[in-house]
Amino acid sequence: EPEVTQTPSHQVTQMGQEVILRCVPISNHLYFYWYRQILGQKVEFLVSFYNNEISEKSEIFDDQFSVERPDGSNFTLKIRSTKLEDSAMYFCASSEAGTYGYTFGSGTRLTVV
Amino acid sequence: AQSVTQPDIHITVSEGASLELRCNYSYGATPYLFWYVQSPGQGLQLLLKYFSGDTLVQGIKGFEAEFKRSQSSFNLRKPSVHWSDAAEYFCAVGAKAAGNKLTFGGGTRVLVKP
Repeated sequence: EPEVTQTPSHQVTQMGQEVILRCVPISNHLYFYWYRQILGQKVEFLVSFYNNEISEKSEIFDDQFSVERPDGSNFTLKIRSTKLEDSAMYFCASSEAGTYGYTFGSGTRLTVV
Repeated sequence: AQSVTQPDIHITVSEGASLELRCNYSYGATPYLFWYVQSPGQGLQLLLKYFSGDTLVQGIKGFEAEFKRSQSSFNLRKPSVHWSDAAEYFCAVGAKAAGNKLTFGGGTRVLVKP
């Protein structure tokens, strides 16, 4: 069964450093997403991406965040200057048309120290 | 704006007993509804989804859910739980539009007693 692959599974970074989280969506999917889950809290939408541009973003997704699909297969989330409160599990997801076949990756646990 | 409420933060159930997890949503049009399960340290696995048609939806691992428009609910059920069902369960709602986001409830943590 096709999977969404995220790397690394766990990343520790120092406050103020840039971090890039990587995702390989399912190959025939057209829509890509990032969500995050702060420990003990609900899963929150960050951003959706379609046709090489952001289609929707949440209030959380401020200027410190950016997304990119650099080579037609990877989908990345960059945090320019990490803060302690960015510590969370980050989930990548992809889907076909709309919410059909919405598949999540297993997540990257980001710890900012 | 869409929202999801899962009223029960924790539920403890005995192995072999039935389980029902509640989910209420708020959405202005016909929603797409989902249940996901998350085992400790793991990602989100889709249990089942409702788009349209039969309001009783069958999913994986013996789970089912019933969409009740009049009550804005999408409760998840399992007739007989197994110890491996101990996990956190999330209800989510999405708009019936391409590329839309999912809004998740706060989750219900299920503990299974031997």
